[in-house]
Amino acid sequence: EAQVTQNPRYLITVTGKKLTVTCSQNMNHEYMSWYRQDPGLGLRQIYYSMNVEVTDKGDVPEGYKVSRKEKRNFPLILESPSPNQTSLYFCASSSSGATQIYEQYFGPGTRLTVT
Amino acid sequence: KQEVTQIPAALSVPEGENLVLNCSFTDSAIYNLQWFRQDPGKGLTSLLLIQSSQREQTSGRLNASLDKSSGRSTLYIAASQPGDSATYLCAVRILDSNYQLIWGAGTKLIIKP
Repeated sequence: EAQVTQNPRYLITVTGKKLTVTCSQNMNHEYMSWYRQDPGLGLRQIYYSMNVEVTDKGDVPEGYKVSRKEKRNFPLILESPSPNQTSLYFCASSSSGATQIYEQYFGPGTRLTVT
Repeated sequence: KQEVTQIPAALSVPEGENLVLNCSFTDSAIYNLQWFRQDPGKGLTSLLLIQSSQREQTSGRLNASLDKSSGRSTLYIAASQPGDSATYLCAVRILDSNYQLIWGAGTKLIIKP
C-alpha cells in the first residue's frame, strides 16, 4: 500500500530534550516536506527536500533541522524543543518532474507537546 | 504574495443537500490546486488535484472547478452524507523555485443526519 508513515504519532517531552520525528514514504517520491499545523494559523511549511541531499527552508524553519540521506526518509529533528513548538506535524511527499510537482500525500501526523 | 482564502469558515447543512465550498487565491500564476479533507485528529486526504491547464476534476460525488483568471475554485459535494463531515482545505502550488503549497484556512463542514 502506497503511504507516508510518521513516528511517533504522539509525543510529550520537556524543554531542551532533543527529539526526532521520522518520516518514510514507499512511493519513490522525489519531493518531501514537513508542515506544522496550529489553530488559527493553518498549515505552514517547515522544510522541504527536492531530492536526496537537497533540502531547503520553508516558512518557519527556526528551531528545526532535517536531513535527506535516502530518498524514502526525511526525519525532522528538534535539537532543543521549546513550548512554542507544541503543534501537529505532518510529513508529505510528491512525485515531481522537471517543472511540476504532482499530487501531495500526507502522513497521519505527529502531535507533539513540549512542556 | 499568494494568499488563499476559504469561505465560509464553517458550514452546517442537513443530510442530502448539495453544497459548494469556495476557495479564492490572489495570484493566478499557479501550477495546480488541490483539495484535501481532514478529519479531527487525523491526517490530510487528497480529494482532487486540478492542474493549471484544467477546468475541473470529478471523483464520485465530488466535483472541483478551477477558474484561474478569476482566482477561484469551488468544491461541489452532491447528496451530502454525515460521513462527509470534516474540514476541507484547498492549497495552491505556486510558480516559484520552492514549489510551495499555499494553504487556505479550511471550511469546517457538518452534515446533520
